[in-house]
Amino acid sequence: ETGVTQSPTHLIKTRGQQVTLRCSSQSGHNTVSWYQQALGQGPQFIFQYYREEKNGRGNFPPRFSGLQFPNYSSELNVNALELDDSALYLCASSLALTPSGANEQFFGPGTRLTVL
Amino acid sequence: DQQVKQNSPSLSVQEGRISILNCDYTNSMFDYFLWYKKYPAEGPTFLISISSIKDKNEDGRFTVFLNKSAKHLSLHIVPSQPGDSAVYFCAASAADRGSTLGRLYFGRGTQLTVWP
Repeated sequence: ETGVTQSPTHLIKTRGQQVTLRCSSQSGHNTVSWYQQALGQGPQFIFQYYREEKNGRGNFPPRFSGLQFPNYSSELNVNALELDDSALYLCASSLALTPSGANEQFFGPGTRLTVL
Repeated sequence: DQQVKQNSPSLSVQEGRISILNCDYTNSMFDYFLWYKKYPAEGPTFLISISSIKDKNEDGRFTVFLNKSAKHLSLHIVPSQPGDSAVYFCAASAADRGSTLGRLYFGRGTQLTVWP
């Protein structure tokens, strides 16, 4: 069983550019969530996909968008990059909530994005 | 609006002693709580969780206690080991009635250092 993988590991972009980050979910998981972790902060929820449909979005502007594919891999796209977008971007995969409400999400290693 | 709070940014404990990490939350709709451990340059690793129908959950050296009336949870590590040195994040979720998904709300983390 493979864990959650993300690519690339590091990325440097300039302000105004666009970026695509990729995530491969843990085998058997049908839900993927994306989080942004700024320095000194906890991860902040961006959005979540379940079986290729978006379900839930955090307090991020529309220039943050995403996709989930039939194999449950996922992309996060960020347009018109700003300096404050510099952060660690984390992808987490999980199974849909069980009736007990269990919600363990398993994280990838993250992509460190630096915007200059 | 920080709905999950970890008020101690750091904790230093001697090897073999107990580590107690604390977490408070404000949203009474939260019904599932998780602890994650994070090493530098890695994604958060799931450690232990607890449902709101319980007040204690144990897994080896790790025990999580939940006090719903106080909206407080704690993670106890006994005995502490140098390899436990990491940032610990508390997270919470609320099962949305009619939905099978849930976002995680994270605290800012507590840096635990276990010294020999």
